[in-house]
Amino acid sequence: EIVMTQSPATLSVSPGERATLSCRASQSVSSNLAWYQQKPGHTPRLLIYGASTRATGIPARFAGSGSGTEFTLTISSLQSEDFAVYYCQQYHNWPPLTFGGGTKVEIK
Amino acid sequence: QVQLVESGGGVVQPGRSLRLSCAASGFSFSSYDMYWVRQAPGKGLEWVAVIWYDGSNKHYADSVKGRFTISRDNSKNTLYLQMNSLRAEDTAVYYCARDRGRPNNWFDSWGQGMMVTVSS
Repeated sequence: EIVMTQSPATLSVSPGERATLSCRASQSVSSNLAWYQQKPGHTPRLLIYGASTRATGIPARFAGSGSGTEFTLTISSLQSEDFAVYYCQQYHNWPPLTFGGGTKVEIK
Repeated sequence: QVQLVESGGGVVQPGRSLRLSCAASGFSFSSYDMYWVRQAPGKGLEWVAVIWYDGSNKHYADSVKGRFTISRDNSKNTLYLQMNSLRAEDTAVYYCARDRGRPNNWFDSWGQGMMVTVSS
């Protein structure tokens, strides 16, 4: 099983600042990585797939990068609606499909 | 547009059974693999099970193997999750989800989620 580890668990950022979230895989997942955003009481929303391709309707301030075992989600200028929990998910070698534990982006 | 609507959740005693349903619309249901993903209160996302588009193949998380059964009825555009021998640790919101088609196994559509509480 590929274990996905996200860091930090909580990130405190001021509106307008940049947020950098990390996701590490226990073995290479190539570029087979997706990112999701989840707000309290809501369904997860796909942001990024293929490590760096934005899903339909996702603003350009969200950028994914990395390959192999190290991945980054960067939110270039945080808006109020971006404060949420973010999950990474690998789909390279499964079952099982595996998610990271999440990073909560909160208002500083 | 794609719609996934779960039903069948609720409160159940440990050891009992429950069946979740997920009604799909807005896409060709019989062409897509379908999944169940769950989220325990205050916790992260956990993949539970997948069923191939034609029902020919199924896979389960180790945590539910032997207790849960995923199935589908393509004539009714409906996905199911039969949950037997339920445990307290199965308490979670259960989501049905669709991927973009193998090998694009990311989830682009999710249901609204259905709460299952296992408690005496």
